[in-house]
Amino acid sequence: QKEVEQDPGPLSVPEGAIVSLNCTYSNSAFQYFMWYRQYSRKGPELLMYTYSSGNKEDGRFTAQVDKSSKYISLFIRDSQPSDSATYLCAMSKSGGSNYKLTFGKGTLLTVNP
Amino acid sequence: DTAVSQTPKYLVTQMGNDKSIKCEQNLGHDTMYWYKQDSKKFLKIMFSYNNKELIINETVPNRFSPKSPDKAHLNLHINSLELGDSAVYFCASSQETVNTEAFFGQGTRLTVV
Repeated sequence: QKEVEQDPGPLSVPEGAIVSLNCTYSNSAFQYFMWYRQYSRKGPELLMYTYSSGNKEDGRFTAQVDKSSKYISLFIRDSQPSDSATYLCAMSKSGGSNYKLTFGKGTLLTVNP
Repeated sequence: DTAVSQTPKYLVTQMGNDKSIKCEQNLGHDTMYWYKQDSKKFLKIMFSYNNKELIINETVPNRFSPKSPDKAHLNLHINSLELGDSAVYFCASSQETVNTEAFFGQGTRLTVV
């Protein structure tokens, strides 16, 4: 079993839809949870991060972490064609010089106008 | 100004050759990384350097050798290139005291023929 599982999709939605992206993980040592967005032929860019369990909202994006279920989610409200990208969940056990991100495989999202 | 820059952006080379990829960050971060993204978009850490010291060295063939001349630069040298080395290589950096956000470069697309 991989440490982080993420459905690769592809996921295709109409403009304005609510998008739900999810990851599960097996290692309870993960403490930091992130979502990265990667446009085609570009580097990943950080969208959201949360520490431990809870919710975090930033504009149209909401990140949720449920450590008891080892499950994290990213919700995108009022999705736009510019949201079309690959979304990667990432996790780390600690910060500092041992900081190492473990990524999911990414979900390819297409938002159709 | 580009925060994390890599050169070259594209690299096509023959099997058996030796090549280098350069990375520079102007964010003042003290930790830098190399990640590899394979054809299935799976992003995996290879190396991490903190203040020019090797911190993380995942299971990577000895043909791959990172070098950090100073904390703003982390280069990746690859000897005796193989077909399986074809991938996109991403450099990233983060600040140890802000331990959740890694900034990625645009990637170097390496094709070994």
